[in-house]
Amino acid sequence: SAVISQKPSRDICQRGTSLTIQCQVDSQVTMMFWYRQQPGQSLTLIATANQGSEATYESGFVIDKFPISRPNLTFSTLTVSNMSPEDSSIYLCSVGQARMSTEAFFGQGTRLTVV
Amino acid sequence: ELKVEQNPLFLSMQEGKNYTIYCNYSTTSDRLYWYRQDPGKSLESLFVLLSNGAVKQEGRLMASLDTKARLSTLHITAAVHDLSATYFCAVVPPVGTGTASKLTFGTGTRLQVTL
Repeated sequence: SAVISQKPSRDICQRGTSLTIQCQVDSQVTMMFWYRQQPGQSLTLIATANQGSEATYESGFVIDKFPISRPNLTFSTLTVSNMSPEDSSIYLCSVGQARMSTEAFFGQGTRLTVV
Repeated sequence: ELKVEQNPLFLSMQEGKNYTIYCNYSTTSDRLYWYRQDPGKSLESLFVLLSNGAVKQEGRLMASLDTKARLSTLHITAAVHDLSATYFCAVVPPVGTGTASKLTFGTGTRLQVTL
C-alpha cells in the first residue's frame, strides 16, 4: 500500500491569501487526485493531477482558483488561491494505480480555515 | 453523470443492535468502496467490492454488492460505541468512460452508537 504524506495538516489563513498544499507518496503512482470536503459534507473531486501536463478539472473548479502541479510520479501540489471563508474545508490527496489495481488511498488531509 | 446516494444520512442506534446502510448508484460501475471517517480525520478504507454478489466481512461490518440493482449495503452487527463514525461509499466511473480510481462519493452516513 502507498504511504501518503500531506502538508500542512491544518492552517488558518487570511482571506485574499493563497495556500499551497503538498502531497508526497512513497512510491510512484499513476494517478493522483485532489478532493475537497466542506464542513459536514461528502467529498467532491476537484481535479486529476496529470504528470507532466495540465490537471483535469471537474465541473465547478477552475485552474485560476485551484492551480495544481505534478512534476513527477510521487509529488503533487494544490494551491487554493485568493481564499475566502467559503474555501474553509478539508482538502485530501488521493492516489491510485492503473485500472487493474483496486487500491485508492488517501492522505491525512489538510484542514483549512479562512478567516 | 454518475450519482451516488446513501441512506440514512444519520443513524442513531443502541449498542448491540443491528442495522444496514444502503448505497445506490446511478450507472454501471465495476468497483465500489466503503470508507470510514472519524471526526477531523482522513478516510480509512474498509472494503473494496469488485463483482456482483461480492460479500466481505471485517469484524462487525459486512458489505455486499448487487451490480444489477446498483446497490451496496453495509451491515452492522451488534453495534458497539467504537463504530461511531461517518461511513461513505464511493464508486468509479463505468469502464471506458472515465479515469480509473476517480471516485464519486455518496452523501455519507453519520453513525452514532449509544450505550
